[in-house]
Amino acid sequence: GQSLEQPSEVTAVEGAIVQINCTYQTSGFYGLSWYQQHDGGAPTFLSYNALDGLEETGRFSSFLSRSDSYGYLLLQELQMKDSASYFCAARSGSARQLTFGSGTQLTVLP
Amino acid sequence: GAGVSQSPSNKVTEKGKDVELRCDPISGHTALYWYRQSLGQGLEFLIYFQGNSAPDKSGLPSDRFSAERTGGSVSTLTIQRTQQEDSAVYLCASSPAREGRNTIYFGEGSWLTVV
Repeated sequence: GQSLEQPSEVTAVEGAIVQINCTYQTSGFYGLSWYQQHDGGAPTFLSYNALDGLEETGRFSSFLSRSDSYGYLLLQELQMKDSASYFCAARSGSARQLTFGSGTQLTVLP
Repeated sequence: GAGVSQSPSNKVTEKGKDVELRCDPISGHTALYWYRQSLGQGLEFLIYFQGNSAPDKSGLPSDRFSAERTGGSVSTLTIQRTQQEDSAVYLCASSPAREGRNTIYFGEGSWLTVV
């Protein structure tokens, strides 16, 4: 089977930096991705790490350590519009479906 | 269309009735997924179609749930004898390949309320 664990809630202030962690257990591994979902909206793709290291996309960065079965999403210069749920997701070797973590609700305070 | 299209966007049904939810994936996408999301919860995998391969039905919660995909494009998720616990948003997603960057594109969902 496969499972992904992430914190349920994170709160930060506007302009700050926040890190959302994700640990996973899978049989085989094809990389870790991150999705953002605003209240009432559809999840949208943010980033993907196939290999160890940091991937940067504007204010968002994502990190993966395959040896530690761990990754994180880093959000810099937080804005109010970043308040949303963030999901890590992984596709393992044996299963074909994409499994999502339970999501982290990020609240950005003024 | 430009994105994944789902219908109806909202559905209120009486307990015990059957419902059908439709998904029209992005043109050319061979993979199609159905997920369920209860209020404030995570994404629960239901079923996955990839091309002409047998679907992965491992996430369907009971035999009241079924899905089909006709002609490798449009998919219909059917819930028979609906129960109140079936109330959730049903999200469809598609992707151009089975693997790759793990990028899948979601529709806006069908919000189902069973009363």
